[in-house]
Amino acid sequence: EVQLVESGGGLVQPGGSLRLSCAASGFTLSNYWMQWVRQAPRKGLVWVSHINNDGSNTLYADSVKGRFTISRDNAKNTLYLEMNSLRAEDTAVYYCVRDIQGWLDPWGQGTLVTVSS
Amino acid sequence: EIVLTQSPATLSLSPGERATLSCRASQSISYYLAWYQQKPGQAPRLVIYDASNRATGIPARFSGSGSGTDFTLTISSLEPEDFAVYYCQQRNNWPRTFGQGTKVEI
Repeated sequence: EVQLVESGGGLVQPGGSLRLSCAASGFTLSNYWMQWVRQAPRKGLVWVSHINNDGSNTLYADSVKGRFTISRDNAKNTLYLEMNSLRAEDTAVYYCVRDIQGWLDPWGQGTLVTVSS
Repeated sequence: EIVLTQSPATLSLSPGERATLSCRASQSISYYLAWYQQKPGQAPRLVIYDASNRATGIPARFSGSGSGTDFTLTISSLEPEDFAVYYCQQRNNWPRTFGQGTKVEI
């Protein structure tokens, strides 16, 4: 079964840092681009970041550029999102998603990041 | 950035009725549009990709159509489990963008 399991979310103060992980199973991670998508409480879906198969190409939403870093370890079947200089507006559920020619399938269950003092 | 506008924001229907959801793009995106279903407390699930192709395991009552800037998701006869929020998403350009969602409620 193809599965993505995120971890690493939690409560962090403004200006703080957090590292999210996404463990992939049931497929070969190195064969796929991967994405992070977030959803603020009671809001819609927002694309955050993209990484290609080997990690040589990354893209970011303007709102997180320079603060977030996406990376992957294909040998460990794990995707990461390093988040620095966190702001209240970064509060959201963060989803790890497999990219299949631009379509997002499947999605992980999500991990909640709360930025608050 | 391509803006996707979904309408209506909320669709109030009964089981057995037909649901028609719209997604309009701010510029042409060919057929590069997908639809996702999200139920409360759950992650989104891919329903339709490339405007009209059903994802694996999606029932035949779901269908998608459109190209260019105007797209439609149709649920021919609503089942109780279809009541959810539906989002459209484009892959024609970076950044990938989503519509704001349409809630299908009883």
